[in-house]
Amino acid sequence: AQRVTQPEKLLSVFKGAPVELKCNYSYSGSPELFWYVQYSRQRLQLLLRHISRESIKGFTADLNKGETSFHLKKPFAQEEDSAMYYCALSGHNDMRFGAGTRLTVKP
Amino acid sequence: KAGVTQTPRYLIKTRGQQVTLSCSPISGHRSVSWYQQTPGQGLQFLFEYFSETQRNKGNFPGRFSGRQFSNSRSEMNVSTLELGDSALYLCASSRDRDYGYTFGSGTRLTVV
Repeated sequence: AQRVTQPEKLLSVFKGAPVELKCNYSYSGSPELFWYVQYSRQRLQLLLRHISRESIKGFTADLNKGETSFHLKKPFAQEEDSAMYYCALSGHNDMRFGAGTRLTVKP
Repeated sequence: KAGVTQTPRYLIKTRGQQVTLSCSPISGHRSVSWYQQTPGQGLQFLFEYFSETQRNKGNFPGRFSGRQFSNSRSEMNVSTLELGDSALYLCASSRDRDYGYTFGSGTRLTVV
């Protein structure tokens, strides 16, 4: 079965602290994994793709096939990072989204 | 370039009516997918279209249908509306799903 799990609905950190948003998946194959972000009153947008191995706005995500995880990390959180973050997996049939994690970065 | 455009932005319908939502993808994108977003269920997959063909369908009743035209524009239709159909309906386009999606702003449907 194709499944994406984001165990934390809410995550709060202080500005300048490291942040890690967890994502675990189940999929029988080689997954294409993504992180999407939705800032307040903005549309949902693609943050990064695992295949690109890129860093966007200081965020990185590494695919760990052994642990079936794709956690999103940033070493120093900023207040403008406060948003809703969704992990997603493109599988055989569709793009499956996790339930999302609301990140709040406090000043 | 223009983004993904969804119309209308807001709709209020009564139970039993039907509704049609429209999505214009980014120029050159042939893949269009639809999602229903609610606070309780999150993002639920409805359909995926590619070059006018429905490639995949989510686990929704037959009251939910869609289509894609030759210019890649897509519509979805919900017949015999129920209160539980109240949601934000999102359209996403891409060159192909594995490249990632560009989302529209959504259509907020309220069924009363």
